[in-house]
Order: sequence, then structure tokens, then C-alpha cells
Amino acid sequence: GENVEQHPSTLSVQEGDSAVIKCTYSDSASNYFPWYKQELGKGPQLIIDIRSNVGEKKDQRIAVTLNKTAKHFSLHITETQPEDSAVYFCAASLSGGYQKVTFGTGTKLQVIP
Amino acid sequence: DAGVIQSPRHEVTEMGQEVTLRCKPISGHDYLFWYRQTMMRGLELLIYFNNNVPIDDSGMPEDRFSAKMPNASFSTLKIQPSEPRDSAVYFCASSLDTAGYADTQYFGPGTRLTVL
Repeated sequence: GENVEQHPSTLSVQEGDSAVIKCTYSDSASNYFPWYKQELGKGPQLIIDIRSNVGEKKDQRIAVTLNKTAKHFSLHITETQPEDSAVYFCAASLSGGYQKVTFGTGTKLQVIP
Repeated sequence: DAGVIQSPRHEVTEMGQEVTLRCKPISGHDYLFWYRQTMMRGLELLIYFNNNVPIDDSGMPEDRFSAKMPNASFSTLKIQPSEPRDSAVYFCASSLDTAGYADTQYFGPGTRLTVL
């Protein structure tokens, strides 16, 4: 089955700096890569996703890049703000109508004011 | 839409008792997922349903766990008998079937289970 590795497990940045979280996946058939943000006491929420036919996607301060050859993808948050502090999960899913998504182990991001 | 609804939000029980967690998915969604989250193991998929039919239950830890989806708007996850190692946050999520592509999963607020 799919295996997703995520690094780092914790990340502290100063407010205004950038944060980068990296993930690798094992199954070359995976074609959907969502990123979820989980705030304390809440369920994960999708913040951005990318499909394998695109190399990069941006949404305001958030961007995701995908390298299919190397089987890795990254989340970039620019101009970080205290409200960005949360746990971030990357994920990958198999193609072919499956909805099963394999999650990474999570990165706890702390933005220091 | 109210989003995915889970109940109860918190459950404290004693070892050996039966626990039932409930989930109402977003109306119109075709898929329903049950996850368990712990510090040690992260976010684990337990089981998922498509159109009320269980598709993959390989993540269910053992026979003490069972899940049902009697209709499109309701699912339960039951643990009988419960054990302290079952203590975790259990999430339910739902998503749409989008022409063969995986789509956004919408998570509920979770049920925090403590087994004493």
C-alpha cells in the first residue's frame, strides 16, 4: 500500500518568515495530494490540494509543489501569521476511483509573534 | 450545510463497556470514513463506506470494533468491549465521488474517547 513520509515533525518560525513542509510518497500511481490543517480540538480541514497533472498550485500565501519523478511534494507558507500555528498533514491517494487517502504523520507548526 | 456531525463529542467509559460513536455525513456525499487519531500512531483510517457499503475495513484493529451504515445519513462505530488502549480521538469524514477522482474529505469535530 501507499506510504507517506512527512518532515519535519515540528517547525518553529518567526512571524513573517516562510515555512516549508516536505512529504514523500511510495506509490507512483497516486495522483491526488491534499494538505490538511488541524487546529487544536478540531478535525483536519483541507487547505490546498494538487493533482498529478500540475506541478505547482498557489492560493494566496499557500503554495504546493509536486515532483512526480522524485515522488515528493511540499507545502510552502509565506508571510506566516500566528493563526497559521497548527498541525499540518500531507496525504496521497491512489487513482482509479479509490477514495482511500493515506496521511503523513503531521507537522506541528508554531509561528512565534 | 451543517457539515459532518459527530456525537458524542466526549465519552468517558470504563474498560469492558460498550461504546457507540455516531456520525451524520454531509448530505449527498457518497463516501464515509472513520479515522482514529493518537499521538503514537497519528491519523489512521479504520474503515470506509461507499454508498453505505463497506469497501475497506482493513484498518479496523480487531473484532472488538465494528461499523455500520444503515442509510446514507447515519453511521456508527462500535467498540465492544472497550479497552484503555482504545482511548483516542475518533473522526468521521465524508466526501463526494467525483468521476473516479478522490475528492476533499470533510471531517467532523471528532469524539474524544477515554477508556478507564
